[in-house]
Amino acid sequence: ELKVEQNPLFLSMQEGKNYTIYCNYSTTSDRLYWYRQDPGKSLESLFVLLSNGAVKQEGRLMASLDTKARLSTLHITAAVHDLSATYFCAVDKGAGNMLTFGGGTRLMVKP
Amino acid sequence: NAGVTQTPKFQVLKTGQSMTLQCAQDMNHNSMYWYRQDPGMGLRLIYYSASEGTTDKGEVPNGYNVSRLNKREFSLRLESAAPSQTSVYFCASSLGHRREQYFGPGTRLTVT
Repeated sequence: ELKVEQNPLFLSMQEGKNYTIYCNYSTTSDRLYWYRQDPGKSLESLFVLLSNGAVKQEGRLMASLDTKARLSTLHITAAVHDLSATYFCAVDKGAGNMLTFGGGTRLMVKP
Repeated sequence: NAGVTQTPKFQVLKTGQSMTLQCAQDMNHNSMYWYRQDPGMGLRLIYYSASEGTTDKGEVPNGYNVSRLNKREFSLRLESAAPSQTSVYFCASSLGHRREQYFGPGTRLTVT
């Protein structure tokens, strides 16, 4: 059974600081997604990582995938308040169309 | 394009009542999905439909049924609602197998 663990579960940080969210998964996969969810809202796709060593960047967010370590990271550079949200990683098992989601990281960026 | 739409947005049911959640997409996607999200947790797959005419169980299918009415529409039915089914339900669609999924706005369901 595929397990996906994110840490930290909750992150409070000051504007301007850098931090990394980690997503570990338990079985082989070559495809991983990062989503953002604002309170009471739906999920917004941030990044699709399709192979080992993949790195994607959008604004202050950068995501990477290491399939050998079964690890993805979401790095936040010089955080701003607008980045406050819950971030989920989701791993594609490769069987059927199933995504397994991590428990989410709730990020609060304080002015 | 509206993307993925869901109705209703909110619903309160009594234990034992039935209801159907509706989902439609206008992106000509082949695959559609139903997830539930419990407080403070990630999403869990209930059922999915890889293509029109097919449906398959996900991680937590018990207590639910689905119908892929046509390529655009995928409904989720609760035959006899239980308090454990209180959750937020999200529908999603993707172009095909192992492609990026796009999510609807969600239905917040409370079963008392």
